[in-house]
Amino acid sequence: AQTVTQSQPEMSVQEAETVTLSCTYDTSENNYYLFWYKQPPSRQMILVIRQEAYKQQNATENRFSVNFQKAAKSFSLKISDSQLGDTAMYFCAFMNFGNDMRFGAGTRLTVKP
Amino acid sequence: NAGVTQTPKFQVLKTGQSMTLQCAQDMNHEYMSWYRQDPGMGLRLIHYSVGAGITDQGEVPNGYNVSRSTTEDFPLRLLSAAPSQTSVYFCASSYSLQGSYNEQFFGPGTRLTVL
Repeated sequence: AQTVTQSQPEMSVQEAETVTLSCTYDTSENNYYLFWYKQPPSRQMILVIRQEAYKQQNATENRFSVNFQKAAKSFSLKISDSQLGDTAMYFCAFMNFGNDMRFGAGTRLTVKP
Repeated sequence: NAGVTQTPKFQVLKTGQSMTLQCAQDMNHEYMSWYRQDPGMGLRLIHYSVGAGITDQGEVPNGYNVSRSTTEDFPLRLLSAAPSQTSVYFCASSYSLQGSYNEQFFGPGTRLTVL
């Protein structure tokens, strides 16, 4: 079964600085999708960014970008110019071409003013 | 569009009681799923459905039943609640499982406490 590991339970960053959240996964499949979700205190799950494994180019969405290393099975999230509103839990998720979505345990990010 | 809606937002049950968590979406999504979120464990898939009349088990299905009689609704039934089912439950839906349309949209969650 696929597993997703987020090794940083908590992280903090100063406002306007850059932070990188780590994620590794284990799979024997060649085609799959990877996601980063944000969960603010409101509890709502919000998609931040997605990556298709067959695409070599790293995905970017405004201040959010990923470093996708397929051979190393690594999928880190970089947040640039951190804002107070980025304070949240961040979950890395893996989905194969079927319907089995697996989430990591999450990283609690605090942006300090 | 209301997106994905869940009712109730909060619920307290006694051990052995049964109840149904409601989930509805108005985006004409084929794929719907239920997750539970426990501290330190992320979200785990309970059951999912790839279309009306089709359901299947996820990672942690024991103690839960689902049905999908319409595209819009996907209720989750707790047959005999146990304290181990104390959790936050999320319903999600997506247009597809593959390609550019497999983004899952999540409901606001239901916090369930079983005493």
